[in-house]
Amino acid sequence: DVKVTQSSRYLVKRTGEKVFLECVQDMDHENMFWYRQDPGLGLRLIYFSYDVKMKEKGDIPEGYSVSREKKERFSLILESASTNQTSMYLCASTPLRQGHQPQHFGDGTRLSIL
Amino acid sequence: TQLLEQSPQFLSIQEGENLTVYCNSSSVFSSLQWYRQEPGEGPVLLVTVVTGGEVKKLKRLTFQFGDARKDSSLHITAAQTGDTGLYLCAGDLLRDGGGADGLTFGKGTHLIIQP
Repeated sequence: DVKVTQSSRYLVKRTGEKVFLECVQDMDHENMFWYRQDPGLGLRLIYFSYDVKMKEKGDIPEGYSVSREKKERFSLILESASTNQTSMYLCASTPLRQGHQPQHFGDGTRLSIL
Repeated sequence: TQLLEQSPQFLSIQEGENLTVYCNSSSVFSSLQWYRQEPGEGPVLLVTVVTGGEVKKLKRLTFQFGDARKDSSLHITAAQTGDTGLYLCAGDLLRDGGGADGLTFGKGTHLIIQP
């Protein structure tokens, strides 16, 4: 089975801090994604990557950046955390750059910005 | 603009009843997926529908993709308490250049099955 592991289940940070959320997948998937999930808003795509060192903006990239130095690892960076970035963050991966692929999700990181 | 409208947002019914969840859009999707998410976990894929008019069954769950590939439904027969969870539909929009560019998710249906 595909395993997508997010480094932290819960994280509390302060406004203005630089925050790193880490995600690792063990199935050699090309595509990796970062979403945030908020009540009443559902899942929204922040950034995705279809290859090492490649990144594409999703629907809500403002205030975030990403890094993909190795195929298995995709990091989400909050450059200067703000309270409106308090959310559940979900990482996902899929194989190959084709449609109809199921997204394999991690268990999420619940981030609170104080 | 919400590309995928999911309804109802909340549903609480008794065990043994039937229910249907709807996922509608004005956009055409190359495929549509249904996920189930339990508290503290990530979404898990239930099914993918690809062909317009397609019907797939997963035990007591029946999934249908609209003929025009703009809408989908999930029907649960004789609901059980174990069906409780957040159900998400997600469409694969072919963006420029195609490829797996991330899914467009509905807001989800919170389903509670009471014993």
